[in-house]
Amino acid sequence: SQKIEQNSEALNIQEGKTATLTCNYTNYSPAYLQWYRQDPGRGPVFLLLIRENEKEKRKERLKVTFDTTLKQSLFHITASQPADSATYLCALVEYSTLTFGKGTMLLVSP
Amino acid sequence: GAVVSQHPSWVICKSGTSVKIECRSLDFQATTMFWYRQFPKQSLMLMATSNEGSKATYEQGVEKDKFLINHASLTLSTLTVTSAHPEDSSFYICSARNPLSGQDYGYTFGSGTRLTVV
Repeated sequence: SQKIEQNSEALNIQEGKTATLTCNYTNYSPAYLQWYRQDPGRGPVFLLLIRENEKEKRKERLKVTFDTTLKQSLFHITASQPADSATYLCALVEYSTLTFGKGTMLLVSP
Repeated sequence: GAVVSQHPSWVICKSGTSVKIECRSLDFQATTMFWYRQFPKQSLMLMATSNEGSKATYEQGVEKDKFLINHASLTLSTLTVTSAHPEDSSFYICSARNPLSGQDYGYTFGSGTRLTVV
């Protein structure tokens, strides 16, 4: 099965900067990859989905890239705000089920 | 829309008792729902896939007799933790996907249930 790696260390950035989070996977490239946001004590909230034949997807201040050669997806938040502080999860879809990474905690300081 | 409601949000029970968690899709019909468990600072681990009108499919290592899943209608799935023990204390989360959503939409999750077994 897939192994999904996300940086376990928290990412601390200043408000207004761009946050970049990394998701690496080990095996075959999935048909598509998803990013979720999870706040403490809450369920994940879907943010973006990107297909294997898409290099980049944008939604407001969010941007996701998908490099099947590197087996990597990058998740960017531009003009970050303290309200963006949360844990961001990368997930791959396999046989209609999601496999999640551990997530990376993002802390945006004012 | 795609709203999933999960209850209760937290529960404390005595060791040896059973606890039922409900997951409802409020504005869509879900033939399939998923149950996850999350330990602190860990990823969500899929426990089982709940199928309306049929038996659930459990992931390897998940005891089906301990974690009873019932998906009796298109909008409700329940997870019952039987004979709970302290090691069952965790954050349980359900999810579903609106089949009528476009292909660019992911899964909707409930708000989770914090189970503490004392």
